[in-house]
Amino acid sequence: EVQLLESGGGLIQPGGSLRLSCAASGFSFSSHTMIWVRQAPGKGLEWVSSCGGDSRTTYYADSVKGRFAISRDNSKNTMFLQMSGLRAEDTALYFCSRKQFGVHTIDVWGQGTTVTVS
Amino acid sequence: QSALTQPRSVSGSPGQSVAISCTGTTSDVGGYNYVSWYQQHPGKAPKLMIYDVIKRPSGVPDRFSGSKSGNTASLTISGLQAEDEADYYCSSNADRYTWVFGGGTKLTVL
Repeated sequence: EVQLLESGGGLIQPGGSLRLSCAASGFSFSSHTMIWVRQAPGKGLEWVSSCGGDSRTTYYADSVKGRFAISRDNSKNTMFLQMSGLRAEDTALYFCSRKQFGVHTIDVWGQGTTVTVS
Repeated sequence: QSALTQPRSVSGSPGQSVAISCTGTTSDVGGYNYVSWYQQHPGKAPKLMIYDVIKRPSGVPDRFSGSKSGNTASLTISGLQAEDEADYYCSSNADRYTWVFGGGTKLTVL
């Protein structure tokens, strides 16, 4: 079964740092671009960052550029999001997700991990 | 990238059809056939319902269909059922690595 399991969320003060992890199972992890998407309380989905299968290609939303860093360890089927300089507006449920191979869509989502900046 | 534009809410009675629109620009919705739709129930992760404008993943009922005209894509749900009540989001992925989402539409089944 294809699964994504996020961890690392919590309560953090403004200006602090946090590292999210996403453990993947049930598929060829290194073959897929992986993505972080967040959802602020009561709000819509917001793309945060993407990492290509080889780790060399990374993209960030303007709202997090320079503060967040995405990475992955294909040997451990795990993706990370290092967040620093956290702001109140970063408070959200952070979803780990998978881009479907060869298709321009996100086909698998984790259940999310909550980050609260306060 | 600016968010795609969706109506905040739509509603319909069981058995009826509803359509949810998603308006973008020629740089996203209008320029590529890479529009997806997601269903999200409260407290749950989003679920892929439509991709590449019109394609349905296996397991998604054929009551769900997608279309596009110009810069506006649409999700149509026919034969509305109570379990269809959820939030729906459109998205566009033109370059394989960056995504833009719509603001979301709350579907109420009356």
